Amino acid sequence: EPEVTQTPSHQVTQMGQEVILRCVPISNHLYFYWYRQILGQKVEFLVSFYNNEISEKSEIFDDQFSVERPDGSNFTLKIRSTKLEDSAMYFCASSDRTENYGYTFGSGTRLTVV
Amino acid sequence: AQSVTQLGSHVSVSEGALVLLRCNYSSSVPPYLFWYVQYPNQGLQLLLKYTTGATLVKGINGFEAEFKKSETSFHLTKPSAHMSDAAEYFCAVMRNSGNTPLVFGKGTRLSVIA
Repeated sequence: EPEVTQTPSHQVTQMGQEVILRCVPISNHLYFYWYRQILGQKVEFLVSFYNNEISEKSEIFDDQFSVERPDGSNFTLKIRSTKLEDSAMYFCASSDRTENYGYTFGSGTRLTVV
Repeated sequence: AQSVTQLGSHVSVSEGALVLLRCNYSSSVPPYLFWYVQYPNQGLQLLLKYTTGATLVKGINGFEAEFKKSETSFHLTKPSAHMSDAAEYFCAVMRNSGNTPLVFGKGTRLSVIA
């Protein structure tokens, strides 16, 4: 069964450093998303991406965040200057209209900012 | 704005007993509704979804949920719990225009006692 792949599974970074989280969506999917889950809290929407541009973003997705699809397969989330409160599990997801709106999520990247 | 309320952050059942996880939603228009399961150290897996049609939806692993518009509910049930059902369960809502952000509840941790 097709999967969404995320790398790395766990990343530790120092406060103020830039991090890039990587995702390989399912190959025929057209819509891409990032969500995050702070430990013990609910999963929150960050951003959606379609046709090489952001289609929707939440208030969490401020100027510190950016997304990119640098080639035909990868979808990345960059955090420019990490803060302690950015520590969370970050999930990538992709979907295709023909699948009747069920997202496929990756296994997540646990980001720890120290 | 849409929101999801999951009653009970932790539910504990005996093996073989009925599983009932409660979800109520708030939406100005009939939404699409989802249940996801998260096993330890894994991503979010789609259990089932309601978009249109039959209000009783069957999913994987013997789970089902019923959309009740009058009660704004989408409770998840399974007739007989198995040890392997122990996980975190998330109810989510999506605007019915499709491929729009999911809004998640806070999750319910299901424990199954032998």
